[in-house]
Amino acid sequence: GAVVSQHPSWVICKSGTSVKIECRSLDFQATTMFWYRQFPKQSLMLMATSNEGSKATYEQGVEKDKFLINHASLTLSTLTVTSAHPEDSSFYICSATRGYEQYFGPGTRLTVT
Amino acid sequence: QKEVEQDPGPLSVPEGAIVSLNCTYSNSAFQYFMWYRQYSRKGPELLMYTYSSGNKEDGRFTAQVDKSSKYISLFIRDSQPSDSATYLCAMSDWAAGNKLTFGGGTRVLVKP
Repeated sequence: GAVVSQHPSWVICKSGTSVKIECRSLDFQATTMFWYRQFPKQSLMLMATSNEGSKATYEQGVEKDKFLINHASLTLSTLTVTSAHPEDSSFYICSATRGYEQYFGPGTRLTVT
Repeated sequence: QKEVEQDPGPLSVPEGAIVSLNCTYSNSAFQYFMWYRQYSRKGPELLMYTYSSGNKEDGRFTAQVDKSSKYISLFIRDSQPSDSATYLCAMSDWAAGNKLTFGGGTRVLVKP
């Protein structure tokens, strides 16, 4: 149990376009999901907290209008990177909470050309 | 000073050896402690979860928490080459709404 999926696993897009990443908890309901980004050989950096039915809470320094988060149901949260630029290229990982435990998705590698 | 300190390694051990990992932290409010394993280009996998001080064992893994010293450990017995990965400690307190504070990760290499 406690499986989290992400789609797509990797995506290449052109500068200026938008990309949507989906995060799903497959076998449990998650009232809270988190979005992280990770640069090579670095630890995870929390971007935002996503709660079902309410607006996401963004960490300091994360642009709300650039990284749109929607938590449509207890099993689905989406992250949309709007007007992507090469500096947005990164590994994006979501997680979902079950009680006090947090389970991570496999990650999405975004490359902006 | 970071809230959670973790030696980045790499830690290289021969197959079959015990891998010893640890983290220190400064926030005494942390109550929940986790260890994750992350392979390259993959999401972290939850290995162990502990609450408050004490030991917890699960198969080849043993997690220890010493809240008085603000020190947590993970031991991996009978290490295998497949254990080669980056190990992340993480911790939280309920007041933070399940937000995790991570250590920087320790890279482990188990040589056959």
